[in-house]
Amino acid sequence: NAGVMQNPRHLVRRRGQEARLRCSPMKGHSHVYWYRQLPEEGLKFMVYLQKENIIDESGMPKERFSAEFPKEGPSILRIQQVVRGDSAAYFCASSPSGVVNTEAFFGQGTRLTVV
Amino acid sequence: GENVEQHPSTLSVQEGDSAVIKCTYSDSASNYFPWYKQELGKRPQLIIDIRSNVGEKKDQRIAVTLNKTAKHFSLHITETQPEDSAVYFCAAKRTTGTASKLTFGTGTRLQVTL
Repeated sequence: NAGVMQNPRHLVRRRGQEARLRCSPMKGHSHVYWYRQLPEEGLKFMVYLQKENIIDESGMPKERFSAEFPKEGPSILRIQQVVRGDSAAYFCASSPSGVVNTEAFFGQGTRLTVV
Repeated sequence: GENVEQHPSTLSVQEGDSAVIKCTYSDSASNYFPWYKQELGKRPQLIIDIRSNVGEKKDQRIAVTLNKTAKHFSLHITETQPEDSAVYFCAAKRTTGTASKLTFGTGTRLQVTL
């Protein structure tokens, strides 16, 4: 059972370009969380998704950022017209649904650099 | 929504001593409390968790305690070793009813010195 897979691991974008970050959850996991982490800082919540549903997007900036978790395929975090302030590590985590098994495991992260 | 506070922000202990990190949460409906360890440049890794139906859980040198009445939980590391040096994050989540996001504390940077 492969862990949470994120790609790419490193992404360099020029200001104004689009960044697409992918997250494949662990097998059997139907919940995905996205977090942003600046150097030397904590994990800032962005969005919580279930297959085909956004459960909580209270941490998503209102413009330029969107996320989806389709029925088939990975979850995608999309950042349009990137700016230097978007440079950060973006982690996704996945967990099963249900009450008993709720452990969330993180992927390796995507380090986005905007130049 | 849930708010998790974590203290201290930095902690330095000598090898062999114990380290304690404390967190408080605000949502009385939260019932799942994991702890993550993040080494420099790596992903956060789940090291231990506790659910609200128990007050304490231990795994070798690591233990967590939960006080539901006071809404606080703690991580205890005994006989610390240099490889315990990392940033530790607590988190809280509601798993019953309307599921909530995993809300993290701000992290504690633990330094174990020789």
